[in-house]
Formats: sequence, C-alpha cells, structure tokens
Amino acid sequence: GENVGLHLPTLSVQEGDNSIINCAYSNSASDYFIWYKQESGKGPQFIIDIRSNMDKRQGQRVTVLLNKTVKHLSLQIAATQPGDSAVYFCAERPDYGGATNKLIFGTGTLLAVQP
Amino acid sequence: DADVTQTPRNRITKTGKRIMLECSQTKGHDRMYWYRQDPGLGLRLIYYSFDVKDINKGEISDGYSVSRQAQAKFSLSLESAIPNQTALYFCATSAIGGVGETQYFGPGTRLLVL
Repeated sequence: GENVGLHLPTLSVQEGDNSIINCAYSNSASDYFIWYKQESGKGPQFIIDIRSNMDKRQGQRVTVLLNKTVKHLSLQIAATQPGDSAVYFCAERPDYGGATNKLIFGTGTLLAVQP
Repeated sequence: DADVTQTPRNRITKTGKRIMLECSQTKGHDRMYWYRQDPGLGLRLIYYSFDVKDINKGEISDGYSVSRQAQAKFSLSLESAIPNQTALYFCATSAIGGVGETQYFGPGTRLLVL
C-alpha cells in the first residue's frame, strides 16, 4: 500500500545497474524462504523462493542467495528497470516441514530506480 | 494476483461497527490466511485455515473472527471495530506441501476506523 514504504531502508539505483537487497532472518531452524515484491496499492507478489538445502537459486533476472551460517538472505536483480521500483521483503518459515506453513515477514526495503 | 480477490478494496467505518472483509480464490488451494499490514511493520498473521473445518489463531487474533464458508472463501470479521484496527488487510492462499508452500496474496483491503 501507499504507506508501506514509510520508515523503510531505501536502496536507490540507476536504471540498468544491478541491485542487491539484503535480509537477515531470525530462526536458524527456518527451512524455506521467499522474496516478495510489493508495489504501491497492491498486494505482495511472489518473486522467488529457496529451500534451506540450497545456497543459490536463479529466476528470470533475479537470484536469491542463502547464507545459513550468518542467517542472511539476499535478492539480486540484474539490469534493474523502473518497473522494479517497489518494496521488497523476505519471509522465512520457521516451522520445519511446513506443518503450519506459518511465515515470518521482514519489514522490507524500498527499491527506488532512477532513470 | 487476480486468482485471489478481496472485497471491499477500501472501507471506512466507525468505532463499534461490525464489518466483514471477504476473500475468494480460484487457485484451488486448501490453505487460506488473513494478515494485516501496518506502516513500518511486517505482515502479521491474524487467522489461518487449512480446510473448511479448520480454523487457527495467528499472532494477533484478538478482536477478529473468521469463517471458512467453502474451500474458495475465507472471510474476516471485526465484531466491534476500533481505531487501532485501521490497517491494510491481506488474504493469502497456499497449496499443501511441495513447491506449493508459497503464499499468494490478494490485492488488499484498506480499512479506516474512525
């Protein structure tokens, strides 16, 4: 929504550059992670996910990296475009095996793409 | 995601009124969730349901109730709305297990309680 970006860390990049958005997660037992994109006035949109038995996963123009040692997740966006401007947040699933599939969401980073 | 719809998209109500927010999905998913989003905070889970006969409280269920009328429909009610329930509300769905654990969100309902 329009107010989601308030008080959020902001990453400002030039169009065409690569973007790296970081997320520190809280639970070392988390086994599944998701990155979402939220544009103003819209609901969160799934971008990419990764399981804890992987270190890296690639999608179209996006790559997610998982470092379980330091509980860190990153989203890399190649050749950032103006349409990538949005709030990005990560989610972790601390419930091993997904019996409840509850997710814990980060507060997000605002990506601002400068033309 | 057009597969998950929410009505109304915007609602203004007064303190003490009862309101209902509705969610429908055509994804065929069994699991449905209600979240609220406040500025500067992550999404917080209100209630979730894994099938028509299953209702579970999330982390902030006080002041809310839900009804799972069918696999495709999950409604959220505020029995007596209060101003601190002013927020963005999102419905989400997910399949069971495997790669379907991802939660897919609706467009949201913006609620203002005066």
